[in-house]
Amino acid sequence: DAGVIQSPRHEVTEMGQEVTLRCKPISGHNSLFWYRQTMMRGLELLIYFNNNVPIDDSGMPEDRFSAKMPNASFSTLKIQPSEPRDSAVYFCASSLGQTNTGELFFGEGSRLTVL
Amino acid sequence: AQKITQTQPGMFVQEKEAVTLDCTYDTSDPSYGLFWYKQPSSGEMIFLIYQGSYDQQNATEGRYSLNFQKARKSANLVISASQLGDSAMYFCAMREVAGANSKLTFGKGITLSVRP
Repeated sequence: DAGVIQSPRHEVTEMGQEVTLRCKPISGHNSLFWYRQTMMRGLELLIYFNNNVPIDDSGMPEDRFSAKMPNASFSTLKIQPSEPRDSAVYFCASSLGQTNTGELFFGEGSRLTVL
Repeated sequence: AQKITQTQPGMFVQEKEAVTLDCTYDTSDPSYGLFWYKQPSSGEMIFLIYQGSYDQQNATEGRYSLNFQKARKSANLVISASQLGDSAMYFCAMREVAGANSKLTFGKGITLSVRP
């Protein structure tokens, strides 16, 4: 079975450019999460969706960040304009609401470097 | 206040020995779940084990077990018979709201190195 699929795996861009990260959750999962991982701050939740609706976006750093989930099989995280401090690994994860544990299944991450 | 605290510095264990990774949590929600994830150097996040706040017994999954002490608000991960492949970063996480559609809050993680 396909897991959570993220693209691109690596992105190097210059400050001021727009960055779009993409995620395809596991088919049938109804919750989707975007996390950011840095050495300094660890794993931070940016936003999560339930049935394609944003539930909690309190972790989104600022207006430069936006996320969408137009359908159950696709989500994007956009940074515009990007800054060097946005350099991090961005993880997408999904979960199935009906499981007892509700564990998150993570994608392999998108490593972003902003020069 | 931090929701999940993992304060151990890098941990070292001899191959085939057992090791305990500490995790304490803070919540006033009577219903919550605790999770452990492994992140090897390749970067992926691997789910290891889950403990619900109302579970009567400590969770076990193969060589992984969770030492759940509710009154102390601790959920330590025990890895038995360590293997070289256990060398990784380990994260403790908590979900506070009953049900599966809610966020996990992660600790800072602990680095485990297994020595041959």
